[in-house]
Amino acid sequence: GENVEQHPSTLSVQEGDSAVIKCTYSDSASNYFPWYKQELGKGPQLIIDIRSNVGEKKDQRIAVTLNKTAKHFSLHITETQPEDSAVYFCAAHNFNKFYFGSGTKLNVKP
Amino acid sequence: DAGITQSPRHKVTETGTPVTLRCHQTENHRYMYWYRQDPGHGLRLIHYSYGVKDTDKGEVSDGYSVSRSKTEDFLLTLESATSSQTSVYFCAISESEENEQFFGPGTRLTVL
Repeated sequence: GENVEQHPSTLSVQEGDSAVIKCTYSDSASNYFPWYKQELGKGPQLIIDIRSNVGEKKDQRIAVTLNKTAKHFSLHITETQPEDSAVYFCAAHNFNKFYFGSGTKLNVKP
Repeated sequence: DAGITQSPRHKVTETGTPVTLRCHQTENHRYMYWYRQDPGHGLRLIHYSYGVKDTDKGEVSDGYSVSRSKTEDFLLTLESATSSQTSVYFCAISESEENEQFFGPGTRLTVL
């Protein structure tokens, strides 16, 4: 099956700085890559996604990049705010199934 | 928020007892999923369904069974609970295979 690795496991930034979270995947057949944000005590919520025929996608302060050759994709958050503090998960879709990274706990210090 | 609920939200049970968790959706989505979330492991797929009575295994299906007799309900059963099944269980739904998944609020299960 697919194997998704996510780094770093924890990330602390100052408010207003940028945050970058990176994921790698193992199976070149994976074709859809969502990112989820999970707040304490809640279920994950999609924040942005990218498909394998696209290299970059932006939505306001959030962007995702995909390098299919290297099999890695990254989440970029600019101008971070305290409400961005949460756990972020990347995932890869492969043959009907989603495989998740182990998560990154982002702490944005005011 | 997508119309997805899970019951119970919390459960404490003893080793060897059967447990059933319920996921209910009001979105009429075709796909439903059960995940478990453990520290350091992210979310791992247990089973999923791609239609009524159509289910398949995920990464960590041993010790779990599922059933889907109606579009809106997806049940996860632990036939004989073990302490290694202590976890937070999330249900998710999606309209199609490569679409956004909407997650339920989770069920915290403790097996003593």
